[in-house]
Amino acid sequence: GDSVIQMQGQVTLSENDFLFINCTYSTTGYPTLFWYVQYSGEGPQLLLQVTTANNKGSSRGFEATYDKGTTSFHLQKTSVQEIDSAVYYCAMIASSGSWQLIFGSGTQLTVMP
Amino acid sequence: EAAVTQSPRNKVAVTGGKVTLSCNQTNNHNNMYWYRQDTGHGLRLIHYSYGAGSTEKGDIPDGYKASRPSQENFSLILELATPSQTSVYFCASGDPGTANSDYTFGSGTRLLVI
Repeated sequence: GDSVIQMQGQVTLSENDFLFINCTYSTTGYPTLFWYVQYSGEGPQLLLQVTTANNKGSSRGFEATYDKGTTSFHLQKTSVQEIDSAVYYCAMIASSGSWQLIFGSGTQLTVMP
Repeated sequence: EAAVTQSPRNKVAVTGGKVTLSCNQTNNHNNMYWYRQDTGHGLRLIHYSYGAGSTEKGDIPDGYKASRPSQENFSLILELATPSQTSVYFCASGDPGTANSDYTFGSGTRLLVI
């Protein structure tokens, strides 16, 4: 069935470090892929969308690239700041036709000043 | 501004009691969703709806019912609440398959069943 896998439950970095969060998916067809960010006490909000048409998405200094060969769409940022501390979720709209948004288990990012 | 509003923000319920969580959206989206969020599990889909009068089971529907009386409103109902249903619940709306297919989430309802 459709699934999204995030292996990194927690990541701790210092300001100006490079961020890389790994995400892989499993589905048939061509999925629509997202990265959501959730700040403490709030609901998830869209960070960026990656389409199979352009293979890339970017927003607020974050970038994700879709790789059909490895079924991955990792999130990266060159230089993180303390305000980036949040939970990051990769997500996918299932290709089964039900339009379910399937989430990975989330990565808690903590950026130390 | 288009939004998804959940109520209540916090709820304490007793085991065996009935709980109704409400969600209202002003996005004019056809689809609405209820998720629960638990540590280590991320967000898991409970029920969703394609429009007024429609409800569909998600991945973890047991112990929950849903109601979509109108385009704007989607409720999650726990007929007999249990402590295992203690969680944070999120409602979302979206129109996947369109040019702007992201989902908009509410701020969540924190439910404690004692």
